[in-house]
Amino acid sequence: GIQVEQSPPDLILQEGANSTLRCNFSDSVNNLQWFHQNPWGQLINLFYIPSGTKQNGRLSATTVATERYSLLYISSSQTTDSGVYFCAVVANTGFQKLVFGTGTRLLVSP
Amino acid sequence: ETGVTQTPRHLVMGMTNKKSLKCEQHLGHNAMYWYKQSAKKPLELMFVYSLEERVENNSVPSRFSPECPNSSHLFLHLHTLQPEDSALYLCASSRMDRGNSPLHFGNGTRLTVT
Repeated sequence: GIQVEQSPPDLILQEGANSTLRCNFSDSVNNLQWFHQNPWGQLINLFYIPSGTKQNGRLSATTVATERYSLLYISSSQTTDSGVYFCAVVANTGFQKLVFGTGTRLLVSP
Repeated sequence: ETGVTQTPRHLVMGMTNKKSLKCEQHLGHNAMYWYKQSAKKPLELMFVYSLEERVENNSVPSRFSPECPNSSHLFLHLHTLQPEDSALYLCASSRMDRGNSPLHFGNGTRLTVT
């Protein structure tokens, strides 16, 4: 099945810093989502971005489907950005099954 | 997100108990999912109900039994669980017949098996 790799696995930032999270996937996809899981376990849908670029406030995401990667940018990070960021994809073939990466654990310190 | 509601939020059960997790979505979606999140592992898809058809991950043990009475409600019936089944169980929903729509997740049920 499709493989999803995220990097870095862990990231520590000072408040106000910028960061880039990466998601690589092993096959062509027709769905890609970025999620933020807060310390209480809640999964928040950040972006639905099978291709192209989207922005939402301090967050933006770019997916280059032909090169099988996606990037999540966090600018001017805040302590509330802490948590785990997951990339999840659905392969072009087969039944729609969202496959998750192992996540990037982000800690933003004041 | 409040479109997908899961109850209970926390559950502690013994290995001989029978319990059920409940999920309800108010988004007009027609597909619902159960995911399991264990410590230090990727989220794992357990079951999908889409257009009244069920698709399951063959590695899920039979002590987990899903039920989807309609497109808005999803249950996960639990019986004779093992301590390694302790995890966060997440429900999600999506719209299947409009191409590929994003999944929306509930807040999860944190299950502890003693």
